[in-house]
Amino acid sequence: EAQVTQNPRYLITVTGKKLTVTCSQNMNHEYMSWYRQDPGLGLRQIYYSMNVEVTDKGDVPEGYKVSRKEKRNFPLILESPSPNQTSLYFCASSTTGYNEQFFGPGTRLTVL
Amino acid sequence: AQSVSQHNHHVILSEAASLELGCNYSYGGTVNLFWYVQYPGQHLQLLLKYFSGDPLVKGIKGFEAEFIKSKFSFNLRKPSVQWSDTAEYFCAVFTGGGNKLTFGTGTQLKVEL
Repeated sequence: EAQVTQNPRYLITVTGKKLTVTCSQNMNHEYMSWYRQDPGLGLRQIYYSMNVEVTDKGDVPEGYKVSRKEKRNFPLILESPSPNQTSLYFCASSTTGYNEQFFGPGTRLTVL
Repeated sequence: AQSVSQHNHHVILSEAASLELGCNYSYGGTVNLFWYVQYPGQHLQLLLKYFSGDPLVKGIKGFEAEFIKSKFSFNLRKPSVQWSDTAEYFCAVFTGGGNKLTFGTGTQLKVEL
């Protein structure tokens, strides 16, 4: 089944404790992206990747890191999480950036 | 920077009523336009998309949208909504120059029986 998977689905952590949210797709997509969803703000792009080893900032990259060492994986790293990073995070992939994006199930992160 | 505006933040309709959700974007060049839907507790799914050609595009579940270039708009419509259409709807715009997708803030639609 073609899908985008994210882990963990739910995470409660404390300020400053490094964490990684994994994202994997099995559709051989070139383009992958991370978004955060906050009430009243919609989805805002954090980082995107056009291909392996090619990443670029989205609209809200501060406090986040990404890497794209393999085509299928695109982890999101929070080196020192803060409470304002409490949000619902979605990973997405597509053949190219301008095509339909396929979204993962989301990761709900709470930073205390 | 490109931006996407969805003017209706919350919409409440009765079943069988007609729906129109507004979406306007600010970018003068070529755009690809999307409407995504997020049902309660689920991830986003594509409703429909416009790349080029006929400005009236049809999507899944009876939804359609019209691209009006002169108005920078891509409004979503459905002639008769159902209770199962209760969801949040997002307009999104991709501009090639930036290689990124910009979403509107979303419209919460509640359909009452």
